[in-house]
Amino acid sequence: TQLLEQSPQFLSIQEGENLTVYCNSSSVFSSLQWYRQEPGEGPVLLVTVVTGGEVKKLKRLTFQFGDARKDSSLHITAAQPGDTGLYLCAASNFGNEKLTFGTGTRLTIIP
Amino acid sequence: DTAVSQTPKYLVTQMGNDKSIKCEQNLGHDTMYWYKQDSKKFLKIMFSYNNKELIINETVPNRFSPKSPDKAHLNLHINSLELGDSAVYFCASSPKSYREAFFGQGTRLTVV
Repeated sequence: TQLLEQSPQFLSIQEGENLTVYCNSSSVFSSLQWYRQEPGEGPVLLVTVVTGGEVKKLKRLTFQFGDARKDSSLHITAAQPGDTGLYLCAASNFGNEKLTFGTGTRLTIIP
Repeated sequence: DTAVSQTPKYLVTQMGNDKSIKCEQNLGHDTMYWYKQDSKKFLKIMFSYNNKELIINETVPNRFSPKSPDKAHLNLHINSLELGDSAVYFCASSPKSYREAFFGQGTRLTVV
């Protein structure tokens, strides 16, 4: 079973601060995705990374796929209350139809 | 237009009852899924269908029976509901297997 561990599990910081959350596994993946889920809603895709070492930016969010394609990080610059939510990583492998989700990081940005 | 829609959004029912959740996607995707999210927010895949055919059945009790009448619909029927079935159930679709998933709003099932 592919296990995706996210850390920290909970994170509460002040508006304007920077933060990084992590998604780690002992397995190698062909692609990895990050989602954000708000209360009462389904997860919404933020980004997909497929190449080891790949870095993608989405406004204040920076996503990186590890060189060995076993881990990923999400860095948020100058966090805003609108960034509050549950951040989930998810990964898959070619030939395996399953998209496995991580354990999640619950982020709260305090105004 | 809602891309992935599931109904109902809330479902409260007694133990032992049978209930169904419906899901429809208008994205033209070939693959659809059912996921269960527990109280700790962990999302676990239950079933995956590709073009109406069952691809993944993740050790789900056989009280849960998915049905895909066409590739735009994937319904979930649950027999003899148990307290432990209480959770949020999400339907999702992907353009291809193992690609990005687009989720519905979820169905919060409460068994009392």
